[in-house]
Amino acid sequence: ETGVTQSPTHLIKTRGQQVTLRCSSQSGHNTVSWYQQALGQGPQFIFQYYREEENGRGNFPPRFSGLQFPNYSSELNVNALELDDSALYLCASSLGRQGVSGQYFGPGTRLTVT
Amino acid sequence: GENVEQHPSTLSVQEGDSAVIKCTYSDSASNYFPWYKQELGKRPQLIIDIRSNVGEKKDQRIAVTLNKTAKHFSLHITETQPEDSAVYFCAAPTSGGGADGLTFGKGTHLIIQP
Repeated sequence: ETGVTQSPTHLIKTRGQQVTLRCSSQSGHNTVSWYQQALGQGPQFIFQYYREEENGRGNFPPRFSGLQFPNYSSELNVNALELDDSALYLCASSLGRQGVSGQYFGPGTRLTVT
Repeated sequence: GENVEQHPSTLSVQEGDSAVIKCTYSDSASNYFPWYKQELGKRPQLIIDIRSNVGEKKDQRIAVTLNKTAKHFSLHITETQPEDSAVYFCAAPTSGGGADGLTFGKGTHLIIQP
């Protein structure tokens, strides 16, 4: 069984730039959720993808967008980066339409916006 | 949307003693309640979860209890060990019984004193 992986590990960007983060789901999982974790806080839900379609979204602006591919891997894109976007970005994979059951996290991408 | 409150924010216990972390949620439709453990610099790890049709679930030294009427659930760790030191997060479905992401509490920093 292959676990959840994410790339890159770390990233430094300048305010106003765009960034793409990548996530490979655990083998057998078809649902990917993305979270933002600020320092000292719990993860905050950004959105979820099930079978290549968005399946729910948290309280994040449209400049946060995503994709899921036929192999269930996923991308998170953030446009017009702001300083407050600096955080750990986590993806989690799970199995099934219910999505919320048994979410397993990847190691995260640490994004720093300067 | 769901609102999850978690307390205490910090809990210090002697090695071998028990630790209890409590969470409340707002949406009565919520039906799934996971707990995650996050060590410094690592990903959140799913340690136990409970569904709303069950009042208690145990896994070795860890147990979770759920009171749907009062809308609260708790994590119990018995015979604590140094490796239990970490930040623990409770969570509930962002859209109650819906199929999307998780809303997390702010976390409890558990410190095991030798």
